Amino acid sequence: KNEVEQSPQNLTAQEGEFITINCSYSVGISALHWLQQHPGGGIVSLFMLSSGKKKHGRLIATINIQEKHSSLHITASHPRDSAVYICAAGVSGSRLTFGEGTQLTVNP
Amino acid sequence: KAGVTQTPRYLIKTRGQQVTLSCSPISGHRSVSWYQQTPGQGLQFLFEYFSETQRNKGNFPGRFSGRQFSNSRSEMNVSTLELGDSALYLCASSHADRGNQQTQYFGPGTRLLVL
Repeated sequence: KNEVEQSPQNLTAQEGEFITINCSYSVGISALHWLQQHPGGGIVSLFMLSSGKKKHGRLIATINIQEKHSSLHITASHPRDSAVYICAAGVSGSRLTFGEGTQLTVNP
Repeated sequence: KAGVTQTPRYLIKTRGQQVTLSCSPISGHRSVSWYQQTPGQGLQFLFEYFSETQRNKGNFPGRFSGRQFSNSRSEMNVSTLELGDSALYLCASSHADRGNQQTQYFGPGTRLLVL
């Protein structure tokens, strides 16, 4: 069993739909990171959170420390949101343990 | 501020050779982490350097090594290359003082192909 698991692995949505990606982890963490990776490989950090909820534009990330679970929500999805979304557990220092990623495709 | 830069962007080597990859962090960042991404294993942590010292190490063989210079620039070296070392190698920088979690800023990666 992986220390960080994401679901779903693949997700196809229509433009405008509300999207949720889930992440469960089994290790103790100091923070949970959500990353976005576009074709070509570049990775952008979306959120780093250790409790509660954070919002940035149409993106919302939540974490439940007791249940070891985090979710990434995208409201009013757009084709430019198409990317791989990766959750990563921050264990110690800058060391990250990654989930397998969720390939999101948003169709116009 | 300039972002994280990595050189070279693409590299082709043959089995048995060695390779050195370079990473320049965002100005002021003292932590540099290296990651390997492959289709089979996904993203995996290689090591982290902070103030010229290796602070964390992942589960990779000794053929993978790194160092950090006084200006925080970092290099990683892979010796005796194997086909399975073909991957995208990413570095990321952050403030990460005292081992606290900080947002990591990723470079564009170096895509290594071993033939």
